[in-house]
Amino acid sequence: GAVVSQHPSRVICKSGTSVKIECRSLDFQATTMFWYRQFPKQSLMLMATSNEGSKATYEQGVEKDKFLINHASLTLSTLTVTSAHPEDSSFYICSAYGGNQNEQFFGPGTRLTVL
Amino acid sequence: AQSVSQHNHHVILSEAASLELGCNYSYGGTVNLFWYVQYPGQHLQLLLKYFSGDPLVKGIKGFEAEFIKSKFSFNLRKPSVQWSDTAEYFCAVSSSGTYKYIFGTGTRLKVLA
Repeated sequence: GAVVSQHPSRVICKSGTSVKIECRSLDFQATTMFWYRQFPKQSLMLMATSNEGSKATYEQGVEKDKFLINHASLTLSTLTVTSAHPEDSSFYICSAYGGNQNEQFFGPGTRLTVL
Repeated sequence: AQSVSQHNHHVILSEAASLELGCNYSYGGTVNLFWYVQYPGQHLQLLLKYFSGDPLVKGIKGFEAEFIKSKFSFNLRKPSVQWSDTAEYFCAVSSSGTYKYIFGTGTRLKVLA
């Protein structure tokens, strides 16, 4: 199956700082990437959908100015959590979808802890 | 609006017991259906998927699922579970052509050795 990587796998930061998470499709071109958030012992909640070269589409209740998404190439999307606060601590997961694949492929996730 | 329900939030079984996890969805159109597993500390892995054809789908690790359109269900089954099946299981649904998933709340399975 297709491989999706995320970097970093874990990040700890101070309140008020910004954190960037990268999501890469390693062996296919991802026309669409998705960003999810998973709280402990809960399901994945879709935050936004990003298409290469266009603005991301955010789900209701997700602050687009706080969670900046860039999908500048067919293999890379980034999520920047701006001015992070402790309530932003969570597990962030990306997935990628490419034209020849009829399913999403998930990255390993990034655990963000904001102190 | 689309929604996915997994009624069993926590399941505890002994090894060799049979497993069935429920998944129901609400959507009137054509759907694609998925079951994912998340082992402790690991990322989501696809167990099986259904797009069309035979409603009985076989996946990896001995899992299977049956799509019953009239019941809007896609239940996951395994005849004999192992301790290594301890994990969280997520059902997901997408409407054909969008590939945007709606996930169920997940079922945490614990298999006792």
